[in-house]
Amino acid sequence: QVQLQESGPGLLKPSETLSLTCTVSGYSISSGYYWGWVRQPPGKGLEWIGTMYHTGITYYNPSLKSRVTISLGTSKRQFSLDLRSVTAADTAVYFCARSDCTSNSCFVDSWGQGTLVTVSS
Amino acid sequence: QSVLTQPPSVSGAPGQRVTISCTGSYSNIGAGYDVHWYQQLPGTAPILLIFGNTKRPSGVPDRFSGSKSGTSASLAISGLQAEDEADYYCQSYDTSLSGWVFGGGTKLTVL
Repeated sequence: QVQLQESGPGLLKPSETLSLTCTVSGYSISSGYYWGWVRQPPGKGLEWIGTMYHTGITYYNPSLKSRVTISLGTSKRQFSLDLRSVTAADTAVYFCARSDCTSNSCFVDSWGQGTLVTVSS
Repeated sequence: QSVLTQPPSVSGAPGQRVTISCTGSYSNIGAGYDVHWYQQLPGTAPILLIFGNTKRPSGVPDRFSGSKSGTSASLAISGLQAEDEADYYCQSYDTSLSGWVFGGGTKLTVL
């Protein structure tokens, strides 16, 4: 059974870069599926950040695209998220996720537990 | 303002049946894109409840069912149990936004 675990700093200052890593166990990223990130501001709903196919092709939320990079890690069991120039509005719980797709739409079938990232001066 | 509209809250007594609606438009649900549903218990990560409009992953009780018609989709929960008290989110793809979209979430209270 696949398991995902986020890691990275929990506190950032405005204008810094948020960098998170997702470590996957029970499955090799290069074997298939889509891998990405979803975030949830405190007390609010879910927001899709972006998704990466196992080949490295990426898809990003247009509202975040200019600041986001999702990439494969050096290990076949890790992928990462970089979000540049953060502000308080980026404060959220960040979930890494494995996704599968129907014929026309993708969904998350496995979630990490989530990690809270706070942006504050 | 979410692209997919859900009621902020619904409630029901144990044993009852409740439905949660997810209203979209012709750039997402109405364009034929599949709808998926997630359950999020307090303080935990979401879990997949329904994918492809109507399909249940293994392990999800058949008390949960999904449907889709036109520009809307619905999640039905029958035989309501106290453990069903959670937030529920719908999700699909939007061709105008070129990306995944989520509903704003619905809080289910079991009376």
